[in-house]
Amino acid sequence: NAGVTQTPKFRVLKTGQSMTLLCAQDMNHEYMYWYRQDPGMGLRLIHYSVGEGTTAKGEVPDGYNVSRLKKQNFLLGLESAAPSQTSVYFCASSRDRGFLDYGYTFGSGTRLTVV
Amino acid sequence: DAKTTQPNSMESNEEEPVHLPCNHSTISGTDYIHWYRQLPSQGPEYVIHGLTSNVNNRMASLAIAEDRKSSTLILHRATLRDAAVYYCILRDGFGNEKLTFGTGTRLTIIP
Repeated sequence: NAGVTQTPKFRVLKTGQSMTLLCAQDMNHEYMYWYRQDPGMGLRLIHYSVGEGTTAKGEVPDGYNVSRLKKQNFLLGLESAAPSQTSVYFCASSRDRGFLDYGYTFGSGTRLTVV
Repeated sequence: DAKTTQPNSMESNEEEPVHLPCNHSTISGTDYIHWYRQLPSQGPEYVIHGLTSNVNNRMASLAIAEDRKSSTLILHRATLRDAAVYYCILRDGFGNEKLTFGTGTRLTIIP
């Protein structure tokens, strides 16, 4: 099925470890996004990309890095994990804006725990 | 970004229509009104969006006030599967690519 696939679905890290979350979409979307969601809160944007080779900071970018080397993939990296990064991470993609605007397609999330 | 105001929670009976309100008094002329929902333990799901005119799709209807300062998401016949958090979001039609989520309305469906 077409959509956004996130790997892994679950992960436990020790403080100071590094990891990369992978987001892949097969809809040929231009835009891709990484959000985090903490308990009882809405989603907050970490980084986003408006096309292959481009990235930009969102609302809460500190402690994260991203790369968009291929149009279909958007990687989120944690260089040195901290307990404050315990969260559920969602990736999303959308078509080029245009005048009509389009909705986002979200992945099912990665639940990350940093101990 | 212009902000939206939604009730924290609502309840509705199964098989009855549900009207979810959203206020956005500072909306600009280029802001689209988006609605998403998030079922338990899942990622958000696009529901509907509009600019000025009312919109219908297979999931719901979006009624936009004439002055665009408020809107209502209408679920015509609620089912248990519609229990979710519903987010009303404004998205600038020019230049601003990102969606900014608030805390939404938690909808409970009563069997």
